[in-house]
Formats: sequence, C-alpha cells, structure tokens
Amino acid sequence: AQSVTQPDIHITVSEGASLELRCNYSYGATPYLFWYVQSPGQGLQLLLKYFSGDTLVQGIKGFEAEFKRSQSSFNLRKPSVHWSDAAEYFCAVGAGSGGGADGLTFGKGTHLIIQP
Amino acid sequence: DSGVTQTPKHLITATGQRVTLRCSPRSGDLSVYWYQQSLDQGLQFLIQYYNGEERAKGNILERFSAQQFPDLHSELNLSSLELGDSALYFCASSPGNGRGVLDTQYFGPGTRLTVL
Repeated sequence: AQSVTQPDIHITVSEGASLELRCNYSYGATPYLFWYVQSPGQGLQLLLKYFSGDTLVQGIKGFEAEFKRSQSSFNLRKPSVHWSDAAEYFCAVGAGSGGGADGLTFGKGTHLIIQP
Repeated sequence: DSGVTQTPKHLITATGQRVTLRCSPRSGDLSVYWYQQSLDQGLQFLIQYYNGEERAKGNILERFSAQQFPDLHSELNLSSLELGDSALYFCASSPGNGRGVLDTQYFGPGTRLTVL
C-alpha cells in the first residue's frame, strides 16, 4: 500500500524568504503525486501535480515541485513566500492515474507559518 | 471556488444519531469521492462513486454508506454516530473514473460534523 510522509509538522519562514516543504512517498509503481493547500476553514486547493515527463513541475501561486525517483521525494518549493501563503500543505499520492483507484493517500500535512 | 458544493457547512448532533451529508460535483464530473479529515487520522479516503456506481472503497466504516444519484450528486450517510466521528468531511469530484492521467480531484469546502 502506498504511503506519504511529510516530516515537518510546522515550518516558520520569514516573508520574502524561500520555502521548501518535504514529501517522501512509498509506492510500488510509478507514482502520481499531488500537492494541495488548505487555508483555514477552506477546502483543499490543488497546487500542482506530477504524472510523468519533466520532473520539475510548475503550479499555481508561484509554487514548483521536483520529483526525485531515487529519493522517493516530491518536495514543494517557492522562491519567495508571501503572508498569504500561510496555510496547511498536503502531499498526496494516487494509486490510479488520477488517484481515483483507492482514492488519494495524503500525508499528515505541514503547517506553514509566515513571519513578517 | 472549485465548483464542488457541500451542504450543510456545519452539523452538530448527538451520539447515536444519523446524519446525511450532501455533495454536488463540478458540472460534467462523473466521479465523486468522500474523505474524512480528523486530528488523529488526518485525511482519509472513504469511498468513490463513478456515474452512479461504487468504484473504490477506502477506510469507510460499516456504519457509513454513500450513494450517487442520477443527477450525479452524492450523499454520505453516517449512522449510530460516535464521538470519534467528529471530523471534517470532504467531497471531491473528477471528470472521469479516476484512472485517467488528467483526472484530477477537485475538493469542496467540507462539512464539519460535531458529535456531542
């Protein structure tokens, strides 16, 4: 069965600084990987996804993620964070191509705090 | 706004009771997924319906059931409620059956269930 580990429960970053959120996955075949963001009281919004091809994936809001098969990682990055980026970030892996087979498996999430 | 709607937004009920959560998928989406988000278990996939039929099952309790109607909206029924069922319940939808490469899941705002 697939699993996702987000090793950092909380991360604090100063506004304008760069950000990297870590995600490690376990899956027997080629994974389909996603990053979602959840703002307080909101649902989950898709930031980006990786299915195949270029290992560097661009998403919305200036985020990008890099798939590294050798490290079983799919870390999320942003060169300069804004106060509005404060939220909960979830990494997920899908068994089926779109994650529909058995649904998405989510990590526990990383809570991002932005310092002024 | 993802286009997925969920009602009600909040629900407070007592142990032993039964509740129904409703989800309307994005226009044209055929699959509906249900997830539970709790502090101790995180985000867990419960069940998927595709075009009216059950497609995939996750960690859904026997006390819980779901269905998808001909107009593609879905309902999640929770019965014999326990304190531990208090959680945020998300619905997501996708265009296809979940196995297509581009079949991304879009999440609704969730229903917060409190069992007293």
